[in-house]
Amino acid sequence: DAGITQSPRHKVTETGTPVTLRCHQTENHRYMYWYRQDPGHGLRLIHYSYGVKDTDKGEVSDGYSVSRSKTEDFLLTLESATSSQTSVYFCAISARRDRANTEAFFGQGTRLTVV
Amino acid sequence: AQKITQTQPGMFVQEKEAVTLDCTYDTSDPSYGLFWYKQPSSGEMIFLIYQGSYDQQNATEGRYSLNFQKARKSANLVISASQLGDSAMYFCAMREEYSGGGADGLTFGKGTHLIIQP
Repeated sequence: DAGITQSPRHKVTETGTPVTLRCHQTENHRYMYWYRQDPGHGLRLIHYSYGVKDTDKGEVSDGYSVSRSKTEDFLLTLESATSSQTSVYFCAISARRDRANTEAFFGQGTRLTVV
Repeated sequence: AQKITQTQPGMFVQEKEAVTLDCTYDTSDPSYGLFWYKQPSSGEMIFLIYQGSYDQQNATEGRYSLNFQKARKSANLVISASQLGDSAMYFCAMREEYSGGGADGLTFGKGTHLIIQP
């Protein structure tokens, strides 16, 4: 199994509070991704990183920010959580970007509930 | 338009029967990859099989095979001799080598909930 750890695994927070989710990898992979999973939508890309301090927006980036100060850690921050951000969040990593066949390995997911 | 379409929200199949899960895709990128993931009730995403746009043969991994029809933009997953443990959500996903000018990462379909009945 790929070494990907997400923390926390479960969190309940109040509307308007900041929340940070952490993804930690031990594979030394360059590319890291944050997805959210909602019923009826599959997984949608929030943000991704192609190296330390190099990040970019995905399909559903509004209300989220990310940071990557070390190869192994990719943080997702909800600056002011809203109920629409209640979801399951997945981190993924992959070794390469220049080949379409590069598999993405997923973390176990974080279930976030905003009340 | 959706890039990945899975038209079967749910399927019930008898144990030991073969299962075909449908996936169609839309891309103008000449180089792309198609992936299938399994998500059991425990929630993790498990990679099953990959097919590259330039691969001449259909991919196979144990009981899983991918029926790739490039002209029809179809990448159906076939599970032979289904087992109770195959009950799960199944997601088709695509990665475009040039991202169609957009973001990197995988684009997922909405999934098919497969239930294997004894």
